[in-house]
Amino acid sequence: KQEVTQIPAALSVPEGENLVLNCSFTDSAIYNLQWFRQDPGKGLTSLLLIQSSQREQTSGRLNASLDKSSGRSTLYIAASQPGDSATYLCAVDLVSSGSARQLTFGSGTQLTVLP
Amino acid sequence: ETGVTQSPTHLIKTRGQQVTLRCSSQSGHNTVSWYQQALGQGPQFIFQYYREEENGRGNFPPRFSGLQFPNYSSELNVNALELDDSALYLCASSQTSGGDNEQFFGPGTRLTVL
Repeated sequence: KQEVTQIPAALSVPEGENLVLNCSFTDSAIYNLQWFRQDPGKGLTSLLLIQSSQREQTSGRLNASLDKSSGRSTLYIAASQPGDSATYLCAVDLVSSGSARQLTFGSGTQLTVLP
Repeated sequence: ETGVTQSPTHLIKTRGQQVTLRCSSQSGHNTVSWYQQALGQGPQFIFQYYREEENGRGNFPPRFSGLQFPNYSSELNVNALELDDSALYLCASSQTSGGDNEQFFGPGTRLTVL
């Protein structure tokens, strides 16, 4: 059974810092990995999707890496801003029962960026 | 391009009742997945619909059921509600059940069971 772990569970940093969020998964047989942002009580916003054949993806101040063999991904946020405060979730895409592709999520890292 | 929408936003029910949640997929998407997110946890996969058929299910009992319509919108039905069903229910759509499968999520329905 695929398990996804995110460390740390919570993180508080001053504005302007660069930071790294970690995600690990137990089964390397994944199609891709997605990073999401979730604001309190809201839905999920997709940040980056890394296909299993890729090593990293970049979007603005965000960079995500994937090491499938070791079961690890990192999300790097450069020059953090108070507006980055949210919960960040990683999810791996794999085949569930039948032919469905399902996402298996970690519990998230709650990020607070202090002004 | 219209994103994924869900209704209602919030819902309060009592134990034993039944509830129906609705989801409209993003334009051009034919696959809808439903997830349950308990407080402080990551979302858990309930099931997925592709071309009006359920094509995968997570570890949820049969009282969780669904439908997908010809326009690819979807419903999640939960019978005999239990207190532990209180959660944020998220719907996600994608363009196909294969390929990149990048999933786009709606804002969710917050269900409270008293």
